[in-house]
Amino acid sequence: DAMVIQNPRYQVTQFGKPVTLSCSQTLNHNVMYWYQQKSSQAPKLLFHYYDKDFNNEADTPDNFQSRRPNTSFCFLDIRSPGLGDAAMYLCATSREGLRTQYFGPGTRLLVL
Amino acid sequence: GQQVMQIPQYQHVQEGEDFTTYCNSSTTLSNIQWYKQRPGGHPVFLIQLVKSGEVKKQKRLTFQFGEAKKNSSLHITATQTTDVGTYFCAGPTAGGTSYGKLTFGQGTILTVHP
Repeated sequence: DAMVIQNPRYQVTQFGKPVTLSCSQTLNHNVMYWYQQKSSQAPKLLFHYYDKDFNNEADTPDNFQSRRPNTSFCFLDIRSPGLGDAAMYLCATSREGLRTQYFGPGTRLLVL
Repeated sequence: GQQVMQIPQYQHVQEGEDFTTYCNSSTTLSNIQWYKQRPGGHPVFLIQLVKSGEVKKQKRLTFQFGEAKKNSSLHITATQTTDVGTYFCAGPTAGGTSYGKLTFGQGTILTVHP
């Protein structure tokens, strides 16, 4: 089945230790999004790729970076995680002409 | 900037009672979408409404899009414990460079007591 996959599902890191979260999709969608979601809040968009074009949200901290080496994969790099970065990170996909988004299961990040 | 407001933030019901969540946008929307997120899960697309005044049903769920295309509602008839979760409305983010982006409401957290 076509789907959005995120790895790992749970990630524990130490304060200031870089971490990379990954997302892959078999939907062949050209748009990929990264969201941060904290408890009882709506997903907050960090950035998205339209094909290879990277679009950063104005309020996304520089501490967050992303890479999209090909259509299927997208990575979220947190260069120096702080305690406030503990959250669920959701990857989502969409494609031109499709208005809806398909979410992966998320990676729950814990910062010690 | 564009805002999508959703009320109530929390709703506790007894199983069998009805439930409604309301969504209001500060701007006219070309479409509105509804997502459900189970506890510990991820948002799952439920439905999209496009036309002014549109009403769609999915079993016990009824979705409406307002005539002015600025508000929407989700009504669940006779809630069940499987309805537990957070319901988000979302509309396309305004702006020329915002292709495909969604602005989410804050969500309504529904708990159902058996």
